[in-house]
Amino acid sequence: ELKVEQNPLFLSMQEGKNYTIYCNYSTTSDRLYWYRQDPGKSLESLFVLLSNGAVKQEGRLMASLDTKARLSTLHITAAVHDLSATYFCAVIRTSGSRLTFGEGTQLTVNP
Amino acid sequence: DTAVSQTPKYLVTQMGNDKSIKCEQNLGHDTMYWYKQDSKKFLKIMFSYNNKELIINETVPNRFSPKSPDKAHLNLHINSLELGDSAVYFCASGQAVSSYNEQFFGPGTRLTVL
Repeated sequence: ELKVEQNPLFLSMQEGKNYTIYCNYSTTSDRLYWYRQDPGKSLESLFVLLSNGAVKQEGRLMASLDTKARLSTLHITAAVHDLSATYFCAVIRTSGSRLTFGEGTQLTVNP
Repeated sequence: DTAVSQTPKYLVTQMGNDKSIKCEQNLGHDTMYWYKQDSKKFLKIMFSYNNKELIINETVPNRFSPKSPDKAHLNLHINSLELGDSAVYFCASGQAVSSYNEQFFGPGTRLTVL
């Protein structure tokens, strides 16, 4: 059974600081996704990572994938309050189509 | 304009009732999904249909029955609602044959069973 684990689950940080969210998964996968969810809202797709060494950046967020270590990171640079949300990583097993989600990381950026 | 839409957005009902949630996507995707998000925000897949064919059926009580009249619609019918069914239900769609298979989510339906 594919397991996806994120850490930390809760993260409170100051504006302007940097931090990294980690996503580990337990079995072979070649597709990893990061989503953002604001309170009471839907999931918004942030990044799709398809290959070992993939790195994608959008604004203050940068995601990377190491398929050998079965690890993805979401790095936040110079956090701002607007980044406060819950971030989920999700994995599709090789040759599958179902998304298996991590538990989510609830990020709070304090002024 | 809405890519994946769901109705209703909120559903409050008594235990034992039967209810349905509807989902439609206008993205031309071949696959649609139902996910359940519990009170701890954990997301888990329930069902998936590809071109109207059921391809994923997780360990979900028989009281839950999905129906896909065409590849743009996937509805979820729930019989004999129980307290534990209270959750947010998300519909999603994606193009399973593409390498990306990025899934796009609807706004969610918050179901409260009293």
